[in-house]
Parts: sequence; C-alpha cells; structure tokens
Amino acid sequence: GAVVSQHPSWVICKSGTSVKIECRSLDFQATTMFWYRQFPKQSLMLMATSNEGSKATYEQGVEKDKFLINHASLTLSTLTVTSAHPEDSSFYICSARVDKGQPQHFGDGTRLSIL
Amino acid sequence: SQQGEEDPQALSIQEGENATMNCSYKTSINNLQWYRQNSGRGLVHLILIRSNEREKHSGRLRVTLDTSKKSSSLLITASRAADTASYFCATVDFGNEKLTFGTGTRLTIIP
Repeated sequence: GAVVSQHPSWVICKSGTSVKIECRSLDFQATTMFWYRQFPKQSLMLMATSNEGSKATYEQGVEKDKFLINHASLTLSTLTVTSAHPEDSSFYICSARVDKGQPQHFGDGTRLSIL
Repeated sequence: SQQGEEDPQALSIQEGENATMNCSYKTSINNLQWYRQNSGRGLVHLILIRSNEREKHSGRLRVTLDTSKKSSSLLITASRAADTASYFCATVDFGNEKLTFGTGTRLTIIP
C-alpha cells in the first residue's frame, strides 16, 4: 500500500518551455503533498507544501510564479515549471501523506533537463 | 533549511557486515525518520522513531534516538548487496509538519 506515482520520470526540453509534473497517490487519499528538489549527490530541499483545495505554501527562496503547484484533488498534485531554464535542471520528487504524524510516501522522482 | 548532519558521508563494507550511520540535528523534534534512496529513484520510508522512544527495530534495522545529544543512529545488520543506497535521516519538529533532511550517507555493500 501507500504507492505514489510520479510522471514523467524523465524529461528533456528546450529553454523557455513549461513542464508539468504529476504526483498521484494511487491507493490512499493524501491531504498533503510535498514537492522537493534534489541536486546531484545532495539532500532533498523542500520547495513547497500543498494541501488539497488550498494554495501551496512555498519555502523561502522558492519563486511561486516559477513553480506553480495545483492540488485539485486528494489524489493529485501537479508542479509546473514555467519558462524553464538550464538552472532549473534538477531531480524533482513529490511525496504524499495521509495525515499529520504519518510518514510521507515518495514518488520515484522526475529528472528534468533543460537544454 | 537543512539541519541534519550525517556521518559518515560515505561507507563501504563487505557483505554480511553491519553498517552504522549517525545523524545529528539541532532542534527539538517530534519524531525522526530514516529513508533509503536508490540511485536516481525516490525515497523509501524505513522507520519512524518518536521523541519519547529510545530504540526501535524493524527486521534488520535498528534505530536509536538520544534527544539529549540530539542524535540518532541507524544500524543495518548482516548487510546485503541490495542495501547499497543512500540513507537519509529526516526530522519533524513540534508544530511543524515538514521533513528536514540530513545530508545523507552513501552506503556501498561489496559482494
């Protein structure tokens, strides 16, 4: 149980393109989803916390107009990287949680490469 | 911001040996969690230990927590090649639902 599916797993696109990443909880309802960014051989850095039906809460230094998050249902959150540039290239990982105090369940990540 | 420091940064051991990783943190925590990440993949939750617990076991995993020293350790016994991965500790503070990850330990099991 507690499976989180993230799609796509890998995307390469040209600079200036907008890219949408989906995060779905397959067998549970997630009141909260989280989006992380990970650089090579480094730890995960939280970008934003997303609660179903409300606006996402962004961490300091994360541009909300650059990284658009939508959490329209209890099983789906999306991250859109708008007008992506090479410096946005990274590994993006989502996680989902049923409730406070419960572990987060992670997707397999999306490797984004901007040319 | 990242608060956890893990030690060692990298560890290579022979298959069958035990592996120990340590994690230190800075704040008062509600719980501490350990995750595994295989190369290029997402994280797998291993174990959660609450601030009022001192030790927890799950299969070949043993986690300890010392809140007075703000540290935790993860012991993997009888290691296997499949245990090769990066291991991260992550803390959750009281009144804060966010995970703050440590720097990670890259574990390599040599067959």
